[in-house]
Amino acid sequence: QVQLVQSGAEVKKPGASVKVSCKASGYTFTSYQMHWVRQAPGQGLEWMGILNPSGGSTSYAQKFQGRVTMTRDTSTSTVYMELSGLRSEDTALYYCARDGGSGRSGDYWGQGTLVTVSS
Amino acid sequence: QSALTQPASVSGSPGQSITISCTGTSSDVGIYNLVSWYQQHPGKAPKLMIYEGSRRPSGVSNRFSGSQSGNTASLTISGLQAEDEGDYYCCSYAGSSTWVFGGGTKLTVL
Repeated sequence: QVQLVQSGAEVKKPGASVKVSCKASGYTFTSYQMHWVRQAPGQGLEWMGILNPSGGSTSYAQKFQGRVTMTRDTSTSTVYMELSGLRSEDTALYYCARDGGSGRSGDYWGQGTLVTVSS
Repeated sequence: QSALTQPASVSGSPGQSITISCTGTSSDVGIYNLVSWYQQHPGKAPKLMIYEGSRRPSGVSNRFSGSQSGNTASLTISGLQAEDEGDYYCCSYAGSSTWVFGGGTKLTVL
């Protein structure tokens, strides 16, 4: 069965960087793209970007250009999302979500990783 | 990349039908038939309910249906049940490998 298991909660100071991982299992890792979506406390979902594990190509939301980097390790079927220049507004639950193709932009989701930015 | 527009809240009684709208532009909803809908319960990850505007993943109740007209997509839930209560989000492909979500709609089952 498809599973996406994310790394644990993080607490960071303003200006720091955070790197969240998402380990995939139960399917061919390189056959499906991976989205990153975040949700601030009590707020809605916000699309951050997408990574193609096959070649490593990425596309980021304009809002995060220059601050976010998505990478992957095909040997461990893991994707990573690194966000730099953290500010308090980046406090949120960060999700990875598999793109199932044919418009199924999030057919499986990770459990979410809480990132707290606080001085 | 502006968020799609959804009503903040909708409500209905058990057994009734409700519809949630999702309005985008001719650069996203209006040009691509790639709108998906997600249900989210408190403390849980979102769950895919509808994709490609009107298709249901296996396991999703046929009480959930989707449609689209112009720049607006809609999610209809018929035979409303208590477990349908939660937050609903639309999401559309917006070109150049980017996606955009709606602001979310809180569904209350009275």
